[in-house]
Amino acid sequence: KNEVEQSPQNLTAQEGEFITINCSYSVGISALHWLQQHPGGGIVSLFMLSSGKKKHGRLIATINIQEKHSSLHITASHPRDSAVYICAVSLRSNYQLIWGAGTKLIIKP
Amino acid sequence: GAGVSQSPSNKVTEKGKDVELRCDPISGHTALYWYRQRLGQGLEFLIYFQGNSAPDKSGLPSDRFSAERTGESVSTLTIQRTQQEDSAVYLCASTPRRAGSTDTQYFGPGTRLTVL
Repeated sequence: KNEVEQSPQNLTAQEGEFITINCSYSVGISALHWLQQHPGGGIVSLFMLSSGKKKHGRLIATINIQEKHSSLHITASHPRDSAVYICAVSLRSNYQLIWGAGTKLIIKP
Repeated sequence: GAGVSQSPSNKVTEKGKDVELRCDPISGHTALYWYRQRLGQGLEFLIYFQGNSAPDKSGLPSDRFSAERTGESVSTLTIQRTQQEDSAVYLCASTPRRAGSTDTQYFGPGTRLTVL
């Protein structure tokens, strides 16, 4: 079983829809990261969370440490949000990041 | 300010040749990571540098892979006797403080390596 699981693996939605991507992990962490990877390959860090909730524009990230679960939400989705969204955790025991497999999001106009 | 830079952006090489990839982290960032992403797969941790401490090489897939970093500056990833399975995008990232902190990683644009 992977230590970081993301769902769904693929998601296609219409422009304007509310999007939720989930991430569950099974290890002790010091932080959880959400990253965005565009088709050209560039990776952008969206959020780093250790507790609670963060918001940036139309993006919202939440984490529940007790349940070992995080969600990334996109409100009023737009075709430019189409990308792969990756969840990664920083282990509490060392410095490595463990990556989820990613969620491929396609927003249709 | 300048972000993480990597060079070359693309590298095509023949099987069996050695290649060297370069990463310039953000100035002042003490931690530097190398990752690999094969086509259609997730990111794979390779190696981690923290200041002048011994690097963690536990992610390097074979002894053909090595990396160096001088202090808190440039890092080079060397792949000897390249194989076709080495074809991937090699990504470098840096963070301001030591690992285990909650700093966000800043990624470079990557080097796309193709081994023919």
